[in-house]
Parts: sequence; C-alpha cells; structure tokens
Amino acid sequence: QEKVQQSPESLIVPEGAMSSLNCTFSNSASQSIWWYQQHPGKGPEALISIFSNGNKKEGRLTVYLNRASLHVSLHIRDSQPSDSAVYLCAVSTTNAYKVIFGKGTHLHVLP
Amino acid sequence: DMKVTQMPRYLIKRMGENVLLECGQDMSHETMYWYRQDPGLGLQLIYISYDVDSNSEGDIPKGYRVSRKKREHFSLILDSAKTNQTSVYFCASRLGGASAETLYFGSGTRLTVL
Repeated sequence: QEKVQQSPESLIVPEGAMSSLNCTFSNSASQSIWWYQQHPGKGPEALISIFSNGNKKEGRLTVYLNRASLHVSLHIRDSQPSDSAVYLCAVSTTNAYKVIFGKGTHLHVLP
Repeated sequence: DMKVTQMPRYLIKRMGENVLLECGQDMSHETMYWYRQDPGLGLQLIYISYDVDSNSEGDIPKGYRVSRKKREHFSLILDSAKTNQTSVYFCASRLGGASAETLYFGSGTRLTVL
C-alpha cells in the first residue's frame, strides 16, 4: 500500500520567516503531488501541485520535487499569522483516481 | 460558484443505529470521494465513485457502503454504526481521473457514535 509521510508534525515560526514543510512518498511512479491547507472546522483546500522534477513557484509558495529521493517540500516565504493551519501532502497514486494523504504538519505563525 | 455541500454538519447516533451522510456538488464532477479524518491518522480513503453506480473501495471500506444514483449526489451509509466510526467525514469531488485535477472538499460531517 502506498504511503505518504510528513515532517515535522508541528512547526512554529515568527511572522515574516520562511516555513519549510517536508513530505516523502513510497512510489516513484506516483503521479501528481499536491499540498492542501486546512483550517480548523473546514475542509482541505488545494494550494499548489507539482508533477515534474524540479520546482514550481506561485506567489509566496515554492514546491520542490525530487522523484529519485521520493521527496517533496513546500516553502512559504514571508509567513503570516493567517498561514497558521494544517498542511496536508497528497499524492495521486499509480491509480490516478486514488489520492492518499499524509497526516499533516501543524504550522503556527507567531505575530 | 464551485461548491461541495455536506449534510448534516453534526450528527450524534447510538451504537447499532443506521447513519446516512449526504454530499452534493454543483460542478458536474465525475469523480467523488469519501474520507474520514481522525487525530493522528490523517485523512483515510473510504470509497471512490467514478460516476453514477460505479464505485470502488478505498483503503478502509469495512463497515461502510455508498450510493451514487445521480452524478451530483454521493451518500455514505453506515449500517449499524459502531463507536469506532466516530470521526469527521469529508466528501470531495474532482472533474475526472487525471492526477493533476484538484480535489474540492466539503466542510465535513462530525459524527459521534455513543
């Protein structure tokens, strides 16, 4: 069974700092990798996705994918208190319909 | 306005009762999902629906069944609910099966089984 693991479980950063979140997956043939943001009492919302090795930048978000090391990371530049949430890494498996999630990283941005 | 709607938001049931969780989407998406989310376990996939009357088990289907008779509606049924089915249940939809497509989630149903 394919797996997704995230680290750290919890991350505390001051306002304005860079937040760095990590995700490893178990199958290099996995297809797209997504990052979702989830606020308390809400459903996850998609932030950014990546398919090809390398990096992708959207606004304050940058994601890096290395399929050889089965690793993807999300970096949030100039973190804001409103970025405080749970961040979920999601992987479309070799069955593209099936999407599995990591357990999440709790990000706290202190004002 | 793209929306996934889940009803009810909160539900309390006694062990052994039947439970119906409902989900609707207004995007004409083909593919719909049911997940449950528990502290320390993350989001776990219960069922996938590819379209009307075309469903597939996810990773934890035991104790659950689903029904999809219209493209816009996807129901999760718990026959004789158990206390370990207390959880937050999320429905999601996506356009089709391409891996690059976004999943859109509802706000969840918090189910408590006493």
